[in-house]
Amino acid sequence: AQSVDQPDAHVTLSEGASLELRCSYSYSAAPYLFWYVQYPGQSLQFLLKYITGDTVVKGTKGFEAEFRKSNSSFNLKKSPAHWSDSAKYFCALEGRSNNRIFFGDGTQLVVKP
Amino acid sequence: GGIITQTPKFLIGQEGQKLTLKCQQNFNHDTMYWYRQDSGKGLRLIYYSITENDLQKGDLSEGYDASREKKSSFSLTVTSAQKNEMAVFLCASSPDQNTLYFGAGTRLSVL
Repeated sequence: AQSVDQPDAHVTLSEGASLELRCSYSYSAAPYLFWYVQYPGQSLQFLLKYITGDTVVKGTKGFEAEFRKSNSSFNLKKSPAHWSDSAKYFCALEGRSNNRIFFGDGTQLVVKP
Repeated sequence: GGIITQTPKFLIGQEGQKLTLKCQQNFNHDTMYWYRQDSGKGLRLIYYSITENDLQKGDLSEGYDASREKKSSFSLTVTSAQKNEMAVFLCASSPDQNTLYFGAGTRLSVL
């Protein structure tokens, strides 16, 4: 079975702080992992993905994420955060043996100016 | 660049009605997806298709039908709309069966 858990439904921080959004997954083999962002009133946009190789992947808008097999996590990071980063962030997983992509429930990020 | 166009943007239906949502993409991607997003929740996979005339059920396929008659289009039918149902239906396509490109969504309300 595949599943994705984003334990923090809401995260609030001040502009200039470092942000880290948590994501853990459950999958029996090596997964493909993704982060997507949804700005208010918009649809989802791709941020970054981990397929293989370097465990730290860099994406658009200054974001990066680290794949940690030891604790099945793929946390999203950015420093410093900007008020324009306020959005909902979704972590997603795809099993390598199928084309099914599963999403977490998302983390609503608010960055206060 | 390409675009994914979902029609209609807003759909209001009656309980028990059959409703069809359409999605067109000009990326020339092979794989297309339909997801449902409920307020405050994540996305749940309804159907996906890896090529023309292929259909694969997701976790939420009951109550829905899908059709992929052309590579560029993927339609979703709500077979019998449920009273007070409200959700956003998102269509996506992928060039590599992992990175998804999303449309703007169709917002469904059932009276």
